[in-house]
Amino acid sequence: GAVVSQHPSRVICKSGTSVKIECRSLDFQATTMFWYRQFPKKSLMLMATSNEGSKATYEQGVEKDKFLINHASLTLSTLTVTSAHPEDSSFYICSAPRPGGPDTQYFGPGTRLTVL
Amino acid sequence: DAKTTQPNSMESNEEEPVHLPCNHSTISGTDYIHWYRQLPSQGPEYVIHGLTSNVNNRMASLAIAEDRKSSTLILHRATLRDAAVYYCILRERISGTYKYIFGTGTRLKVLA
Repeated sequence: GAVVSQHPSRVICKSGTSVKIECRSLDFQATTMFWYRQFPKKSLMLMATSNEGSKATYEQGVEKDKFLINHASLTLSTLTVTSAHPEDSSFYICSAPRPGGPDTQYFGPGTRLTVL
Repeated sequence: DAKTTQPNSMESNEEEPVHLPCNHSTISGTDYIHWYRQLPSQGPEYVIHGLTSNVNNRMASLAIAEDRKSSTLILHRATLRDAAVYYCILRERISGTYKYIFGTGTRLKVLA
C-alpha cells in the first residue's frame, strides 16, 4: 500500500487564488521531505527540501515566496502555491526518505494542479 | 545537473526481456545507483538500487559495470504494465542533504 499520500489528488483553481497541497508519511516519520514539479512529458524537477522544525531550502530559481512550504510535524509537509497563475499548472509530487536507508525514497501519488 | 544519461525511448515486445542502459561516468565511490519508474499520472515507484554488485529482486535485475560508470536495468519478461518512464538516478549532496536529481529517463513502450 501507499506509504506517502498526497491530498488533494487534483485541484482546479482560479488565477490569483492560493492552493495548499499536503504530503503525509504513513506509518513512519520523516524529518525531511522533498517537493518536485513535473510538466507534461518532462522529468521531475526538484523544487525544495522540507525540513521539520526549520525552514525549507529551495533549489535555484524556485521562488520561496511563491511556493510556501511548512513541515508542521514529523508526518506532514504542506506546499502552498500562492497567487497561482496558469503557468503554475503542473503535477506536484512529494517524497520522503525510506526509514533505515540506504537513501531510497517513497514518492507520493502526485497532485495535478490546474489554474484557470 | 543530472548525473545520468539514458536513451529517451525504447520499445520492447511483450514477454521479451528488456535492457535499459544508463551512463553515470561521474559516479563517486559511495554513490548508490537507483532506478525508479513512473507510470502515467502517478508518482515514481522504486524499482531497484545497487552499489557495486549486481542485484536482483522480484521486479528486475540491475547489472553494474565493473568500473561503475554504467548500469543496466533488466526486466526479464516485459508486460504491458511495465510501460513507463524509467529513471536512473544518482543522489547529489546539496547543502548537506542528499537529493535525487532526475534526468530525462527512458520511456519504455511495450508492444502486445
